[in-house]
Amino acid sequence: GQNIDQPTEMTATEGAIVQINCTYQTSGFNGLFWYQQHAGEAPTFLSYNVLDGLEEKGRFSSFLSRSKGYSYLLLKELQMKDSASYLCAVMDSNYQLIWGAGTKLIIKP
Amino acid sequence: IAGITQAPTSQILAAGRRMTLRCTQDMRHNAMYWYRQDLGLGLRLIHYSNTAGTTGKGEVPDGYSVSRANTDDFPLTLASAVPSQTSVYFCASTGGQTGELFFGEGSRLTVL
Repeated sequence: GQNIDQPTEMTATEGAIVQINCTYQTSGFNGLFWYQQHAGEAPTFLSYNVLDGLEEKGRFSSFLSRSKGYSYLLLKELQMKDSASYLCAVMDSNYQLIWGAGTKLIIKP
Repeated sequence: IAGITQAPTSQILAAGRRMTLRCTQDMRHNAMYWYRQDLGLGLRLIHYSNTAGTTGKGEVPDGYSVSRANTDDFPLTLASAVPSQTSVYFCASTGGQTGELFFGEGSRLTVL
């Protein structure tokens, strides 16, 4: 079966760095997405990786290793507004998105 | 304002009632989706439409139906609601090269 694994919850301190991991087993691979979802709101797009390596976008970076079935989202200089759930999703060979359950990130002052 | 609009934002209804969740987008995206989101689970695809006039079943289609008469609208109907359909429903569309999804604000449905 297809599976996306990510930690349920993480806690970090304002101003610090946090890495949220995502491992996947899917039927084929056509890209990996990260979305941010604040409580009670809709998910919003953060990043897309289809090739191995690191994609940097401001304070957020996303890494992909296709051979290991692994990705991480790196958040630097954490701010209180970064408290949210972070969703990992993989597009399979049928171009369907398979979603992880999300990682709730709690930022403490 | 461009984007996706869902209605209603919240609804409580009795089991056995029929309910339609509305979704409209003005981005001229071809592909549209309905997801449900439950605590502890990832987003699960209910139905999708790759283009106007076509629809397909997702991971959890039972008890739901959709139609896609035109590009903009993609309503989701629960013919006879059951308590297990209590959830938050998100409509989404995509038209970008990366397959980035644009989500509506969600419809919180409670079936009693």
